[in-house]
Amino acid sequence: QVQLQESGPGLVKPSETLSLTCTVSGGSISSYYWNWIRQPPGKGLEWIGYIYYSGSTNYNPSLKSRVTISVDTSKNQFSLRLSSVTAADTAVYYCARGSDNPALFQHWGQGTLVTVSS
Amino acid sequence: SSELTQDPAVSVALGQTVRITCQGDSLRNYYASWYQQKPGQAPVVVIYGKNNRPSGIPDRFSGSSSGNTASLTITGAQAEDEADYYCNSRDSSGNVVFGGGTKLTVL
Repeated sequence: QVQLQESGPGLVKPSETLSLTCTVSGGSISSYYWNWIRQPPGKGLEWIGYIYYSGSTNYNPSLKSRVTISVDTSKNQFSLRLSSVTAADTAVYYCARGSDNPALFQHWGQGTLVTVSS
Repeated sequence: SSELTQDPAVSVALGQTVRITCQGDSLRNYYASWYQQKPGQAPVVVIYGKNNRPSGIPDRFSGSSSGNTASLTITGAQAEDEADYYCNSRDSSGNVVFGGGTKLTVL
């Protein structure tokens, strides 16, 4: 059974860069779509972007200028970097595995809360 | 950009049938997936594709689609079905979009 686990700082200062890593166990990262999704407190889900195992990426147009998703197949991990954060970026951040359909998220991490505050 | 619209809240009496809808132009070309999210938990996919249920999802959950509208139906709602439900889909550029979510209350 595939499992995903997010890790990274829980507190980031405004204007700095948020960095998170998702470690995949129970399966290889060398296939499928690997996604980041976030959920501000009390609000709905927002797709941030994905990286395909081949390395191609696609980002939410509203975040594209600030987002980078990368993959490290040797560690079975993929990562998110979100630059120039503000309080509006405070959210629970989830990593999730897609399938052959980039919008079908069959496996999710438990999520990690990242707070943007000085 | 693509958008998916859901009713913010829906209620259903215990044991009755409820339909949750999701509207958007991308649904004319791509199927929606449906996710159930309970407080403090990650979402779980309950329906995907034409009408597919992952292993472990009760058969009271079903999906359908017509035109620009996708629907999630719960036939014989149970107390444990009380949750937030989100639809999502993709567009022609491969972007993914979520609906705003529907809070289901089981009375």
